[in-house]
Amino acid sequence: DAMVIQNPRYQVTQFGKPVTLSCSQTLNHNVMYWYQQKSSQAPKLLFHYYDKDFNNEADTPDNFQSRRPNTSFCFLDIRSPGLGDAAMYLCATSRDSGTGGHEQFFGPGTRLTVL
Amino acid sequence: QKEVEQNSGPLSVPEGAIASLNCTYSDRGSQSFFWYRQYSGKSPELIMSIYSNGDKEDGRFTAQLNKASQYVSLLIRDSQPSDSATYLCAVNGGYSTLTFGKGTMLLVSP
Repeated sequence: DAMVIQNPRYQVTQFGKPVTLSCSQTLNHNVMYWYQQKSSQAPKLLFHYYDKDFNNEADTPDNFQSRRPNTSFCFLDIRSPGLGDAAMYLCATSRDSGTGGHEQFFGPGTRLTVL
Repeated sequence: QKEVEQNSGPLSVPEGAIASLNCTYSDRGSQSFFWYRQYSGKSPELIMSIYSNGDKEDGRFTAQLNKASQYVSLLIRDSQPSDSATYLCAVNGGYSTLTFGKGTMLLVSP
């Protein structure tokens, strides 16, 4: 089945220790997104890639970086995690044909704990 | 600043009843509207999308859109305890991104 896969599902890191989260997709979608979601809050968009074009949200901290080496994979790097970065990190994909739609499909998420 | 507003709930309904979830949005240029279901500790799952005014039905779910009033709703008929979740409204304004509401928690009691 076509799907969005995230690894790891649970990540524990220490304060200030860099961490990388990964996302892969078999949907062949051209747009990939990274969201941060904290308890009882809406998913907050951090970045998205439209094909190879990187789009950074204005309020995304510099501590967060992203890479998309190819169509199928996308990575989220947190350079120096703080306690406030503990959250669920969600990867999503969509097919944007320029005619609207923009249905996004989410992976299972990575729960990040910062000690 | 594009905003999507939802009542946080919880909305409590008995099993078998109709659950009505509501959402308003600020961007009059919004074109696409989505409802996601999110179980506790899980990721959002797309359940309905609607693009034009009126009703769209899919099984027990009906999405309703009124662009003039900037209002979108989700009706769940014959609610089941397994429908207990947070329902997120999401709105697209013509770009590749969505603006999400904070969600409404639905509790269906047996």
